[in-house]
Amino acid sequence: SQTIHQWPATLVQPVGSPLSLECTVEGTSNPNLYWYRQAAGRGLQLLFYSVGIGQISSEVPQNLSASRPQDRQFILSSKKLLLSDSGFYLCAWSGTGGQPQHFGDGTRLSIL
Amino acid sequence: RKEVEQDPGPFNVPEGATVAFNCTYSNSASQSFFWYRQDCRKEPKLLMSVYSSGNEDGRFTAQLNRASQYISLLIRDSKLSDSATYLCVANFFSGGYNKLIFGAGTRLAVHP
Repeated sequence: SQTIHQWPATLVQPVGSPLSLECTVEGTSNPNLYWYRQAAGRGLQLLFYSVGIGQISSEVPQNLSASRPQDRQFILSSKKLLLSDSGFYLCAWSGTGGQPQHFGDGTRLSIL
Repeated sequence: RKEVEQDPGPFNVPEGATVAFNCTYSNSASQSFFWYRQDCRKEPKLLMSVYSSGNEDGRFTAQLNRASQYISLLIRDSKLSDSATYLCVANFFSGGYNKLIFGAGTRLAVHP
């Protein structure tokens, strides 16, 4: 069966510091991969999606970037974090053809 | 207008009650629909898909009305463990990319 791993679970970072969040998927090949952010008490905002290695699409302009160096690895990065980057970051995968997405456990990021 | 709209609630119901959530979506090209459940500070988890003919999974019944662009979720015999936020989701598939549009969620609190 497929599993998705995301780490770390929680992270506290100072403003201006860099960020790297990693997500890996097991048990499937060539998944679609997604990064979402959820602010406290709010809905999910799609940040990036990828349909293949090196193929990244951004949904909203922001202080973040994403990379997909391997088929089942998706990385969310920032060179300099802002206070507004705080939130709950979720990685998800899906197959193709309109299948539902499945989420990792999420990373709770606090910026001080 | 939001792409997927839900009543935020909260719906406060006693154990054993029947509760219904409604959701509307704006994109008539949406092709498939889901209900997710999100517990506090956790990732969303797929509850069930929603089919035009209506579908049932135990105490949960989902219905879709494409003409009205309306989705519903009915929970019968509510349990304390049903307390969570329920996210209505419309899928839009385009260019090999499976995009899920999430509603902000409806909060359900089941009390003894």
